[in-house]
Amino acid sequence: QKEVEQNSGPLSVPEGAIASLNCTYSDRGSQSFFWYRQYSGKSPELIMFIYSNGDKEDGRFTAQLNKASQYVSLLIRDSQPSDSATYLCAVMDSSYKLIFGSGTRLLVRP
Amino acid sequence: ETGVTQTPRHLVMGMTNKKSLKCEQHLGHNAMYWYKQSAKKPLELMFVYSLEERVENNSVPSRFSPECPNSSHLFLHLHTLQPEDSALYLCASSHSGRDNTEAFFGQGTRLTVV
Repeated sequence: QKEVEQNSGPLSVPEGAIASLNCTYSDRGSQSFFWYRQYSGKSPELIMFIYSNGDKEDGRFTAQLNKASQYVSLLIRDSQPSDSATYLCAVMDSSYKLIFGSGTRLLVRP
Repeated sequence: ETGVTQTPRHLVMGMTNKKSLKCEQHLGHNAMYWYKQSAKKPLELMFVYSLEERVENNSVPSRFSPECPNSSHLFLHLHTLQPEDSALYLCASSHSGRDNTEAFFGQGTRLTVV
């Protein structure tokens, strides 16, 4: 069974801090990795994707990928209360199925 | 707006009813997905269609029946559902067989079975 694992949280950080969200995956053949944000009662919204090892930065968000360790992370700098949501890690596996982790709930305290 | 449209947004149905959920995308994608999200549970992959052919059926009960008439449209036909089937049903689309492709979700259909 191909899996994507995330800590369910909640991860609580103060406003202005860096939030670090982590994800591991089991299928070594996976090529594409995504971070989605989901507010309660809403559909997931794509915020970052990464395909190559290393870091990818987009505004306050940085995605990090390490294929050897089968690990992908998301850093949110200068966290805001509006960043409070569930963050879903998703992996396009070797058979092109998009598999999601269970999500990490982030709480940013004002 | 992601380019993936789901209708209806909300649906209440009795256990003896038959209804269908619709998903439409005009992003040029050739893979479409149905996910189920129950309260306080992770997203569950139900069905995957790639190039209009079903490539995944995750042991979903037969009371859920998918249909993909073309690469832009995906349906989920529902009949004799149970109250535990109440959930948010999400459709997504992406490019199949191509690396470096994003997947986008529709707004979902909130289904309540009474």
